[in-house]
Amino acid sequence: KQEVTQIPAALSVPEGENLVLNCSFTDSAIYNLQWFRQDPGKGLTSLLLIQSSQREQTSGRLNASLDKSSGRSTLYIAASQPGDSATYLCAGNNFNKFYFGSGTKLNVKP
Amino acid sequence: EPEVTQTPSHQVTQMGQEVILRCVPISNHLYFYWYRQILGQKVEFLVSFYNNEISEKSEIFDDQFSVERPDGSNFTLKIRSTKLEDSAMYFCASSEPGRGLYEQYFGPGTRLTVT
Repeated sequence: KQEVTQIPAALSVPEGENLVLNCSFTDSAIYNLQWFRQDPGKGLTSLLLIQSSQREQTSGRLNASLDKSSGRSTLYIAASQPGDSATYLCAGNNFNKFYFGSGTKLNVKP
Repeated sequence: EPEVTQTPSHQVTQMGQEVILRCVPISNHLYFYWYRQILGQKVEFLVSFYNNEISEKSEIFDDQFSVERPDGSNFTLKIRSTKLEDSAMYFCASSEPGRGLYEQYFGPGTRLTVT
């Protein structure tokens, strides 16, 4: 069974900092990996999807990478803003279902 | 932009009652999913559904749970006899395998509270 781990569990940074969120998974037979944002009490907003054949994806200030051989993905957030404060979840897809990590709760201080 | 919708946003029910959670997936999507998130815990896969049948289910998805696509637009999750531990946020998702990505689009969730 795929196990997904996210480090750190929580992160507090001043506005403007660049930061990296880490995600590791145990089964390298991953089909794709998706990063989500979750605001308190809300649903999941898809940020980036990386297919197994890709190594990275970029959207605005976000860049996600995937290294299947080491079982790792990172989400890089450039020039963080208070509006980025949320919980960030990574999820690995083994064909037909996602296995989620516990998330990194990010707080960006003004 | 098309989105997955879910109703109700919050459902309160008494233990032992049946509940039906409703979802309208994105219209051209073919795979449908239910996940749940108990407060403070991970999002957990419950079931996937394709071509009018369950394609995969987790150990959580026991005989108390069932899914149905009653018409061309709705996808429902039924819990027959709710327990206190069923209290959670339930998320519906859909995906379009034709794109070859299995990217899942999630709805806003239904918060189920069992008292």
